Amino acid sequence: AQSVTQLGSHVSVSEGALVLLRCNYSSSVPPYLFWYVQYPNQGLQLLLKYTTGATLVKGINGFEAEFKKSETSFHLTKPSAHMSDAAEYFCAVSDRRGNKLVFGAGTILRVKS
Amino acid sequence: GAVVSQHPSWVICKSGTSVKIECRSLDFQATTMFWYRQFPKQSLMLMATSNEGSKATYEQGVEKDKFLINHASLTLSTLTVTSAHPEDSSFYICSARNRQGQDLNTEAFFGQGTRLTVV
Repeated sequence: AQSVTQLGSHVSVSEGALVLLRCNYSSSVPPYLFWYVQYPNQGLQLLLKYTTGATLVKGINGFEAEFKKSETSFHLTKPSAHMSDAAEYFCAVSDRRGNKLVFGAGTILRVKS
Repeated sequence: GAVVSQHPSWVICKSGTSVKIECRSLDFQATTMFWYRQFPKQSLMLMATSNEGSKATYEQGVEKDKFLINHASLTLSTLTVTSAHPEDSSFYICSARNRQGQDLNTEAFFGQGTRLTVV
């Protein structure tokens, strides 16, 4: 079975500050890992994903995440927060057979001016 | 990326009536579609997985007679909430995935969601 834990249901940062959203996963098989962003009353947009290869993954809007197998983590970062980054972020895991995505509980990011 | 269109984006219906939600893949063939339900301030919970031309696979605790899923073509899946009740009010989101050769784990693209309110 797979699971995802996102530490912190709410994160608040100042505009221009570092964004760090934490994600830890549990998987009995090598995982595929994803970060999605959701704006109010909208579906999910893929930010980035890790499948194989380089463990540091760069995504859209300046976000990146690093897969650390030893720590079972896939934290999302962005060097400088922008007001438009305010949204809810979901970390998700699937197995490599392409079965269902298992989502974390989500982290709401607030960006203060 | 590929586009998944979900319709309607919001719907209000009376208790006891049925509501159909459509999920279309606009520029690719979706061999697999997923239906999720999202309660306020909570994560997405997978309701069912449907493969084109076959019966949907429902997650534990999801009533298949309550939430009817049809995936009759490679570009369209529908979710029908039958005899809706206020507790069915939620945000429903579909996602679609294409098969590329033997690689099943291609990216899933999400629709914009449907806000269902049962009064």
